Amino acid sequence: VQLVESGGGLVQPGRSLRLSCAASGFTFDDYAMNWVRQAPGKGLEWIGYIYENGNTYYNPSLKSRFSISVDMSKTQFSLQVNSVTAADTAVYYCARRGGFHGLDVWGLGTTVTVSS
Amino acid sequence: QSALTQPASVSGAPGQSITISCTGTNSDVGGYNYVSWYQQHPGKAPKLLIYGVSNRPSGISNRFSGSKSGNTASLTISGLQAEDEADYYCSSYRSFNTLLFGTGTAVTVL
Repeated sequence: VQLVESGGGLVQPGRSLRLSCAASGFTFDDYAMNWVRQAPGKGLEWIGYIYENGNTYYNPSLKSRFSISVDMSKTQFSLQVNSVTAADTAVYYCARRGGFHGLDVWGLGTTVTVSS
Repeated sequence: QSALTQPASVSGAPGQSITISCTGTNSDVGGYNYVSWYQQHPGKAPKLLIYGVSNRPSGISNRFSGSKSGNTASLTISGLQAEDEADYYCSSYRSFNTLLFGTGTAVTVL
């Protein structure tokens, strides 16, 4: 069971970025899949998750610039962030939600740097 | 409330026990038995230690234990070891299908 993020890198302010998370060893059918980020030297921040039925829920503290989707194969899901700013600079993790809302499988993370 | 409240740092000598608190509200920690705890070493992804307040995933040492009283959850690490030096985060389900993390606690083994 493994998650691997991709799509990080240097992004200019105001642009959009799209991150992907590929799963192996399981499919998303039975799980809520999450995105979590961590700014340099800061704590964990929950971004949102997508249920197997496609319903999505987001951190109300974040503006509606974030969008989570899952592909038809249900082995990869994505996070799109629009109009990025320097505050979006962080390591972005995808994580699987297990029992009792614990995030039991995490990817290694992908680093996003927003800078001109 | 943007984050659950944790002490910034906790320290202890090898072999001792330490407890990390995680304080929320009736809308999160106090309202549901959905508190989890994570360990994060520098440069690594978080690792689930406790879920559902007091349940340990397979492979997690029984030196880690969790509890809750009212709006405050706690993680106790007994028999402190050098490898326990890391950052620890709590999380809780919150009303309306959201998740909230704690501010994080740096544990130092003296």
